[in-house]
Amino acid sequence: SQQGEEDPQALSIQEGENATMNCSYKTSINNLQWYRQNSGRGLVHLILIRSNEREKHSGRLRVTLDTSKKSSSLLITASRAADTASYFCATGDNYGQNFVFGPGTRLSVLP
Amino acid sequence: AAGVIQSPRHLIKEKRETATLKCYPIPRHDTVYWYQQGPGQDPQFLISFYEKMQSDKGSIPDRFSAQQFSDYHSELNMSSLELGDSALYFCASSVGGSSYNEQFFGPGTRLTVL
Repeated sequence: SQQGEEDPQALSIQEGENATMNCSYKTSINNLQWYRQNSGRGLVHLILIRSNEREKHSGRLRVTLDTSKKSSSLLITASRAADTASYFCATGDNYGQNFVFGPGTRLSVLP
Repeated sequence: AAGVIQSPRHLIKEKRETATLKCYPIPRHDTVYWYQQGPGQDPQFLISFYEKMQSDKGSIPDRFSAQQFSDYHSELNMSSLELGDSALYFCASSVGGSSYNEQFFGPGTRLTVL
């Protein structure tokens, strides 16, 4: 089964810096989605990138997808303390099933 | 805009009791997913329904069952509860019956088994 895996597991940066989180997966996918979760709360969808896309932007977020390396990265530019949260990638397979979350990266943005 | 509604938000049960969690998807969404997230863990997919039929099955224990009703809301029934069932249970909804599209998550139900 495929599994998204995040790297690093935890990341601590200063406000204003950029944060990059990586995700790797094992099998063919239809899409990869990034989610944010504040401690103990619900998951908020950030970006969906399809397997035929290489890059996508949304505000301060930039996601890349490299299907040859089976990896994706989430870049948050000009980070703010409010960006402190856990970030998960999740992948769906080519059959629209097996939606699998990776272990998440815990991002701390220090003021 | 309307979001996914889950009830109850918090639930405390004793071991071996039963629990029922409810999920009300976003209007016009026909697909519901259930996830379990243990403390410090990533969300684990349990089961999904599309147009009232089970569409995909993940790591759902045999003690759990779920269904989607004619109004598209879904219920997760959990029996013979164990301490290890303590977790956040998320419901998500989408359109189209597959993981091709964005899933919108509810706030979750925090289940504590004592």
